[in-house]
Amino acid sequence: DAKTTQPNSMESNEEEPVHLPCNHSTISGTDYIHWYRQLPSQGPEYVIHGLTSNVNNRMASLAIAEDRKSSTLILHRATLRDAAVYYCILRDVDDMRFGAGTRLTVKP
Amino acid sequence: EAGVAQSPRYKIIEKRQSVAFWCNPISGHATLYWYQQILGQGPKLLIQFQNNGVVDDSQLPKDRFSAERLKGVDSTLKIQPAKLEDSAVYLCASRPLGRGTRDTQYFGPGTRLTVL
Repeated sequence: DAKTTQPNSMESNEEEPVHLPCNHSTISGTDYIHWYRQLPSQGPEYVIHGLTSNVNNRMASLAIAEDRKSSTLILHRATLRDAAVYYCILRDVDDMRFGAGTRLTVKP
Repeated sequence: EAGVAQSPRYKIIEKRQSVAFWCNPISGHATLYWYQQILGQGPKLLIQFQNNGVVDDSQLPKDRFSAERLKGVDSTLKIQPAKLEDSAVYLCASRPLGRGTRDTQYFGPGTRLTVL
């Protein structure tokens, strides 16, 4: 299985941009890169996904390296409600293999 | 649109007792998943259903865990007998029948199980 590596934790100040990195050096050509986040006491929720090109949606942006061996989730202006565990997941089959994720702390 | 519903939200039992969790997926979602999330870890897939058939149960400890999805809608996950290491949050997720690797999974709030 293709694996991902994320920092255990990161901190950000409120209303500043946050760049959450993910390394996936063994990614295959058919793997989609998905990001989910898990707020305290809730189930994970979808954030964004992509294959090769950078992607934007109302929640975040996903920047994918040209060789696809790494990606970065960008929150343009962090709010206190963005404090969560962020998971970077590679999917070449239907099921999702979660790692431990990055715990993001947002300071007021 | 109503989300994935799970009950109960919390359950405390003693080891060797039995417990059951219920999940009602989003209406029309053909695929349903059960995950186990141990404190400090990411969720781990236990079983995947498509309609009322099992697609993947390779990580389900079948000696004590069972799951069913009668009529292809609601699902029940059972543990019998429970062990201390089963203490975890049990998450249910669903998605519509579609493209698999690109489709979003929608998660319920989970059931937090404590085994004493």
